[in-house]
Amino acid sequence: DTGVSQDPRHKITKRGQNVTFRCDPISEHNRLYWYRQTLGQGPEFLTYFQNEAQLEKSRLLSDRFSAERPKGSFSTLEIQRTEQGDSAMYLCASTIDPPDEKLFFGSGTQLSVL
Amino acid sequence: DAKTTQPPSMDCAEGRAANLPCNHSTISGNEYVYWYRQIHSQGPQYIIHGLKNNETNEMASLIITEDRKSSTLILPHATLRDTAVYYCIVRVAYGSARQLTFGSGTQLTVLP
Repeated sequence: DTGVSQDPRHKITKRGQNVTFRCDPISEHNRLYWYRQTLGQGPEFLTYFQNEAQLEKSRLLSDRFSAERPKGSFSTLEIQRTEQGDSAMYLCASTIDPPDEKLFFGSGTQLSVL
Repeated sequence: DAKTTQPPSMDCAEGRAANLPCNHSTISGNEYVYWYRQIHSQGPQYIIHGLKNNETNEMASLIITEDRKSSTLILPHATLRDTAVYYCIVRVAYGSARQLTFGSGTQLTVLP
């Protein structure tokens, strides 16, 4: 068990550029979550996958955001035309179907939009 | 999911017990109390959860009042590495696909 891995750890980009983050969950975990966290606040839910199906999306996930999980393994989160308000920590978490509902989080990708 | 109220910050002396309170007066009968913590620059880490009975694991103890309107997370012998933001979350029971809803948490600082 190597834990949830996220890449990159830090990303600096200019406003208007596109960015993509990757998350590799714990291998047997079929559920994968994306959260966003701004300074001083708790993480906020963005979206959730069960295997390859995206089952739930927050209203925080604007049209500029897209997430995929091909083949139900790793996941990517893309932000198009980044804005300064997108600057945040993007966290990925995974878990296995019930009864174990504990989420295992990665260390996140810190995005800074200049 | 029910909302929770936590103090924004607390201090604790190293080696002493840290008692972190959480109010969840609107909790429903099928909602569990979960605790996570987040050490600086890391993702949140699961600590413990419970429904109505007190729970203990290798990390902490969870005490839930009889009316379930509040709970206390106890770190029996706090160390400097326990300095973190602690989140109390209530959510629907096992089997739900509902996401965790984090509040602002309690910043626990363990002092040497």
